[in-house]
Amino acid sequence: NAGVTQTPKFRVLKTGQSMTLLCAQDMNHEYMYWYRQDPGMGLRLIHYSVGEGTTAKGEVPDGYNVSRLKKQNFLLGLESAAPSQTSVYFCASSRWTGTYEQYFGPGTRLTVT
Amino acid sequence: GDSVTQMEGPVTLSEEAFLTINCTYTATGYPSLFWYVQYPGEGLQLLLKATKADDKGSNKGFEATYRKETTSFHLEKGSVQVSDSAVYFCALSEGGSEKLVFGKGTKLTVNP
Repeated sequence: NAGVTQTPKFRVLKTGQSMTLLCAQDMNHEYMYWYRQDPGMGLRLIHYSVGEGTTAKGEVPDGYNVSRLKKQNFLLGLESAAPSQTSVYFCASSRWTGTYEQYFGPGTRLTVT
Repeated sequence: GDSVTQMEGPVTLSEEAFLTINCTYTATGYPSLFWYVQYPGEGLQLLLKATKADDKGSNKGFEATYRKETTSFHLEKGSVQVSDSAVYFCALSEGGSEKLVFGKGTKLTVNP
């Protein structure tokens, strides 16, 4: 049981390049989330999904797109990377157990130059 | 909207010292409250939670009590260890929402 995994762990992009971050979970969770973590800002929700084929905007969605074609996978895309998107990105998943406890992946450190 | 306010860090303690990290919240209803911990280079892990007023969550020697009257969920540990060095996040989930609202995190360093 690997939990939540993220690919890649590190990436450096030039401004204007595109990339996709992959999140996978093997816990059969319905809900999945993408966050970014910046110094002094805590975690901010980018997009989330309440089930296969559905996505919704979070607090800071601009410049990002997502897709949830399979229940176990949640992809985060940057179409045209900007230096402001330099951050650590975390994926999480959850299911209802009386609350929605979220389980986090190890993170992807992205630098945009 | 809902929000979580944590004491600003960093917090530096000596081993075996008493720890308190303050957390207060603003919510319109009756949220569930959480403490997450992030060890260096890792993702967040759930440390403890409480789902209703006066509930006490506990794990690994850490405790926090849901105080509705003061809208607080302060994290405490009686004797910290070097291995407790991490960033601690307080969070809430409002009324069964699938989304969490996080505080900005408090970095704890414990010296031997």
